[in-house]
Amino acid sequence: AQSVTQLGSHVSVSEGALVLLRCNYSSSVPPYLFWYVQYPNQGLQLLLKYTTGATLVKGINGFEAEFKKSETSFHLTKPSAHMSDAAEYFCAVSEQTGTGGFKTIFGAGTRLFVKA
Amino acid sequence: NAGVTQTPKFQVLKTGQSMTLQCAQDMNHEYMSWYRQDPGMGLRLIHYSVGAGITDQGEVPNGYNVSRSTTEDFPLRLLSAAPSQTSVYFCASRTVASGANVLTFGAGSRLTVL
Repeated sequence: AQSVTQLGSHVSVSEGALVLLRCNYSSSVPPYLFWYVQYPNQGLQLLLKYTTGATLVKGINGFEAEFKKSETSFHLTKPSAHMSDAAEYFCAVSEQTGTGGFKTIFGAGTRLFVKA
Repeated sequence: NAGVTQTPKFQVLKTGQSMTLQCAQDMNHEYMSWYRQDPGMGLRLIHYSVGAGITDQGEVPNGYNVSRSTTEDFPLRLLSAAPSQTSVYFCASRTVASGANVLTFGAGSRLTVL
């Protein structure tokens, strides 16, 4: 079974600074990878996803992530943090099930704090 | 344009009581799933379904039952609630054609078991 590890349950950055949220996955086959964001008291929304092709994926709100197969990583970055980026971020991987479909497994999440 | 609708939004139960969390989607998604979210644990998959009449267990299925009689609905049943089931529950759906498809989440149901 696949698993997802997010390094750091909390990350704090200053407004305007680089945001880096780390994600590593375990997979024996090419994965489908996702980053979701959760704002307080809301459900999760997709930031970006990797399927095939270009390994640098751009998402909404200036976020991007790079798929590195050799490192089994899919780290999320944003060049300049904004106060509105404060939220919890989840890395996820989609794996095939025995019934022929796919199920999505999430990491434990990283809460991003942005200081003025 | 409702998407995924969960009811109730809040519920308080006593230990041993039963209840059902409802989930409905109007996007004709084959895949539906239930997650629980706990601090420091992220989202953990409880049960999922790839179509009407087909369900399977996720990472933490104990204490929960599901059924899928229609494409639209995927209720989650707690037969005898325990304090360890205090959590926020999310229902999510997507098409099943590819694992690359994005999950659409409901707004969540906050359950407290006393």
